[in-house]
Amino acid sequence: DAGVTQSPTHLIKTRGQHVTLRCSPISGHKSVSWYQQVLGQGPQFIFQYYEKEERGRGNFPDRFSARQFPNYSSELNVNALLLGDSALYLCASSPGTDREAFFGQGTRLTVV
Amino acid sequence: QKEVEQNSGPLSVPEGAIASLNCTYSDRVSQSFFWYRQYSGKSPELIMSIYSNGDKEDGRFTAQLNKASQYVSLLIRDSQPSDSATYLCAVNPRGTASKLTFGTGTRLQVTL
Repeated sequence: DAGVTQSPTHLIKTRGQHVTLRCSPISGHKSVSWYQQVLGQGPQFIFQYYEKEERGRGNFPDRFSARQFPNYSSELNVNALLLGDSALYLCASSPGTDREAFFGQGTRLTVV
Repeated sequence: QKEVEQNSGPLSVPEGAIASLNCTYSDRVSQSFFWYRQYSGKSPELIMSIYSNGDKEDGRFTAQLNKASQYVSLLIRDSQPSDSATYLCAVNPRGTASKLTFGTGTRLQVTL
C-alpha cells in the first residue's frame, strides 16, 4: 500500500508569494493533519481535517488555510509568505481523529 | 511550562546497550501517547503508541506510561548504530480532535 504522499518535496518561494502544498493520505484514511517543523523543534500542529470538515486549528495566522477534498486528499495554502515560514511542512494521515498518525515525507519550503 | 518536555540530548549509548528516553507532559487528561523516530532531513516515523498505564513491547522497543506521574518513556534494547536519530514524544490531548503536541525531541547517538 502506498503511504502518505506529499508534493512537491522541495520548494523555493519569494517573500510575499503564495504557496500550495498537497497531500494524499493512506488509502482508507479519512483524517489529514498538517504540521510545521522548523529546525531543532518538534512539529507544530496547523490544521486537522476529518471527513472534509475542519476539526482543529493550531496557533497560526490567517495566512494559513487548508481544505480537504472528497477523495480525502488535502491542500495547505500559505499567503503572503514570510522568511519565518521556511520550514518542513508535514502531512499526517490517520484512520480517525484519535488514532495513530502516519507522516508523509514532507515538503521543504524555503522563503527567500 | 512546556506541554511536552524532553531532554534534547545528545544521549550517547554504546552499541548493544539499552537506551532510555523520557518524556513528561503537563495535560493530565491526555489519553494517547506516541513515539516517533526522525532521521536527519527525514520525516517522523511512528514506532510506538501507548494508551494505558504500564508497558508495551514491540521487538526491541518498550514504551512505558505512568499517567499518575505524567511521564512516558521509551526503552531501546540492544541499541544499534541505525537507531541513531531524534526521538519525538507526542501527546494527543483529549477533546482536541487528534491534535498531536510534540516535544522538541531527544537526539540519540549509538556509538560503536
